[in-house]
This record gives sequence, C-alpha cells and structure tokens, in this order.
Amino acid sequence: GENVEQHPSTLSVQEGDSAVIKCTYSDSASNYFPWYKQELGKRPQLIIDIRSNVGEKKDQRIAVTLNKTAKHFSLHITETQPEDSAVYFCAASRGGTASKLTFGTGTRLQVTL
Amino acid sequence: SAVISQKPSRDICQRGTSLTIQCQVDSQVTMMFWYRQQPGQSLTLIATANQGSEATYESGFVIDKFPISRPNLTFSTLTVSNMSPEDSSIYLCSPLGTGAEAFFGQGTRLTVV
Repeated sequence: GENVEQHPSTLSVQEGDSAVIKCTYSDSASNYFPWYKQELGKRPQLIIDIRSNVGEKKDQRIAVTLNKTAKHFSLHITETQPEDSAVYFCAASRGGTASKLTFGTGTRLQVTL
Repeated sequence: SAVISQKPSRDICQRGTSLTIQCQVDSQVTMMFWYRQQPGQSLTLIATANQGSEATYESGFVIDKFPISRPNLTFSTLTVSNMSPEDSSIYLCSPLGTGAEAFFGQGTRLTVV
C-alpha cells in the first residue's frame, strides 16, 4: 500500500518568513495530493490540493509543488502569520473510486512574533 | 463543500461498552470514509463504507470491533465495540466529494475509562 513520509515533524519560523514542508510517497499510481491544516481541538481543514497533471498550484500565500518523477510534493507558506500556527498534514490517494487518503505524520508549525 | 454533521462530538465511556457515532451529509455521496486519530498522531483510515455493500476494512481493523452501517447515500454510522482505553481517540467521518476532495466531520473525541 501507499506510504507517505513527511518532514520536518516540527518547524518554527519567525513571522514574515517562509515555511516549507516536504512529503514523499511510494505509490506511483497516486494522483491526488491534498494538504490539511489542523488547529488544536478542530477537524482537519483542506487548504490546498494538487493533481498529478499539474506541477504547481498557488492560492494567495500558500503553494504546493509536485515532482512526480521523484514522488515528492511540498507545501510552501510565504509571509507567515501567527494564525498559520497549526499541525499540517499531507496526504495522497489514487483518486476516483480509490480515493482513500494515506496521511503523512504531520508537521507542527509554530510562527513566532 | 458538503455540510457534514457528526455526533456525538465527545463522549466518555466505560470499558467494555460500545459507542455508535453518526455522520450525516447534506448531499448524496458515493463513499464514506472513517478515520481514527490517536492522541498527537496522524489520521489512519479504518474503513470505507459504500451503500448496499459491506464496508472495506484496512489492515488492523476488523468488522467485529468497528461495525459500520451505510443505509443510504447521506448517512453512515461507526460503532466502536467492547471499548478499552486504547480506543481513546478522535474518530472522523469523511464523505468523498465529487472531485475526490475529502472533507471531515467535526470529529468525535472518545475517552474510555
């Protein structure tokens, strides 16, 4: 089955700096890669996703890049703000009727003033 | 995205008892996923529920422990049976969106004492 590795497990950045979280996957048939943000005591919220026919996607301060050859994808957050502090999870699936998600282990992002 | 109502939001249960978690979606969905999030951990898929057929369980999860019902395309239940303290987790339902996006219910925080 699919295996998703995520790094780093914790990340501390100063407000205004950029943050990058990286994930690798093992299943070459995976074609859908979402990122979730989970604040303390809340459900995971989908913040951005990318499909395998696209190399990069951007939404305001967040962007995701995908390298299918190397089987890795990354989340980039620019101009970080204290409200970006949360746990971020990457995930992968084959999409369609095989859309079960395999999650990475999570990255705790702390944005300090 | 669909409106997902999951209940109860939390419960404290005695070991040996069972708890049934309900998940209601405001639109018809083909698949319903059930995930478990142990304290401080990532999300792990328990099973996939399709209407009219038995749920498909992931490795390490069995129907006797986690029976699932899916009576129609908007509703599903997960039961945690014969509970032990190790079952203390957050349980999340996740309907499959039309574009394979996965959104989550509010979660059920279960504590077994």
